[in-house]
Amino acid sequence: LAKTTQPISMDSYEGQEVNITCSHNNIATNDYITWYQQFPSQGPRFIIQGYKTKVTNEVASLFIPADRKSSTLSLPRVSLSDTAVYYCLVGEEGYNNNDMRFGAGTRLTVKP
Amino acid sequence: NAGVTQTPKFQVLKTGQSMTLQCAQDMNHEYMSWYRQDPGMGLRLIHYSVGAGITDQGEVPNGYNVSRSTTEDFPLRLLSAAPSQTSVYFCASSYRAGGNNEQFFGPGTRLTVL
Repeated sequence: LAKTTQPISMDSYEGQEVNITCSHNNIATNDYITWYQQFPSQGPRFIIQGYKTKVTNEVASLFIPADRKSSTLSLPRVSLSDTAVYYCLVGEEGYNNNDMRFGAGTRLTVKP
Repeated sequence: NAGVTQTPKFQVLKTGQSMTLQCAQDMNHEYMSWYRQDPGMGLRLIHYSVGAGITDQGEVPNGYNVSRSTTEDFPLRLLSAAPSQTSVYFCASSYRAGGNNEQFFGPGTRLTVL
């Protein structure tokens, strides 16, 4: 299993861009990188997933360098409602990986 | 679609009691899993299932049993509750196993063991 390392917490202000980096030095060839968001008293929610280069959707972008040993979740122009815990997961596609484990996540606090 | 549902939302048990946490999904997903989340911590995988009749252990399986008799349901049983099992429990499902599949989470069950 690829181990991930993220900052424990980050602070930002409304309207700023936030970048959260996840380190996964032992990522394997068939591993995908997935980010989840969790609000207090709720289950995690999928944000974005990627394999290499850049992926963008309506809420975030995911940047993955060529060596894939890290990834960066980018949240453009955050608002107070983006205050949450963000988890980075690395897991192999298909039935070879049935054991999806979460790390401690990054607690993002957006201030007015 | 209701997605992933969990019952009950809250439960208080006494040490030694047993109970079953219910989880159901209506998305015809093959993969289902149970996590526990202790205060201020990330999620830890308890058990998972890649299909009806198939279950396996995650990283913290002791004290819990699961079964998967149908695609839709994946109950988690606490055999003899202990205070260390006080936690929030989340059930999740995905179309298939694997890191390339999005997991959908239920709202959670908050369990207190006295």
